[in-house]
Amino acid sequence: GIQVEQSPPDLILQEGANSTLRCNFSDSVNNLQWFHQNPWGQLINLFYIPSGTKQNGRLSATTVATERYSLLYISSSQTTDSGVYFCAVDNTGFQKLVFGTGTRLLVSP
Amino acid sequence: DTAVSQTPKYLVTQMGNDKSIKCEQNLGHDTMYWYKQDSKKFLKIMFSYNNKELIINETVPNRFSPKSPDKAHLNLHINSLELGDSAVYFCASSQIAGEFNEQFFGPGTRLTVL
Repeated sequence: GIQVEQSPPDLILQEGANSTLRCNFSDSVNNLQWFHQNPWGQLINLFYIPSGTKQNGRLSATTVATERYSLLYISSSQTTDSGVYFCAVDNTGFQKLVFGTGTRLLVSP
Repeated sequence: DTAVSQTPKYLVTQMGNDKSIKCEQNLGHDTMYWYKQDSKKFLKIMFSYNNKELIINETVPNRFSPKSPDKAHLNLHINSLELGDSAVYFCASSQIAGEFNEQFFGPGTRLTVL
């Protein structure tokens, strides 16, 4: 099956700093999503981005499908950005999302 | 307002018992899913149903039986619960037919087997 690797596994930032999270995948995909799992366990949709670039406020994402990676940018980080960020992909066409192991982000005041 | 809802939010039970988790979506999607998140936060798909028909079954033990009475509901029944079934179970939904297949997740059900 498809492999999904996320880096870094852990990230500690001061409030206001910027960061880049990376997701590498081993095959071409027809779905790629970024999620934020907050400290209460809720999975929040950030981006649906099988290709191209999108922005939503302080967050933006870019997927380069031909090179099999996606990047999530967080600018001016806030303590509420803390949690685990997951990348998930599907290459079957049946929307069988395969999740990466996540990047655990801690933003300190 | 809630797009994907699950009940109960917490479930604590003894080994050997049978329990069910319910899921409902009001997004009009044609496909629903169950995922399991283990203690290390690893998320893995278990099942998916499209218009009440099973389309994905990821080598889950027979003790787990999903049931979809209609395309807005997907319930998960677990027989003879084991310690290793302790996890957070997430329901999700998406629209397979069409260009955008974004999946939306429910709040999760934390199952603890004692």
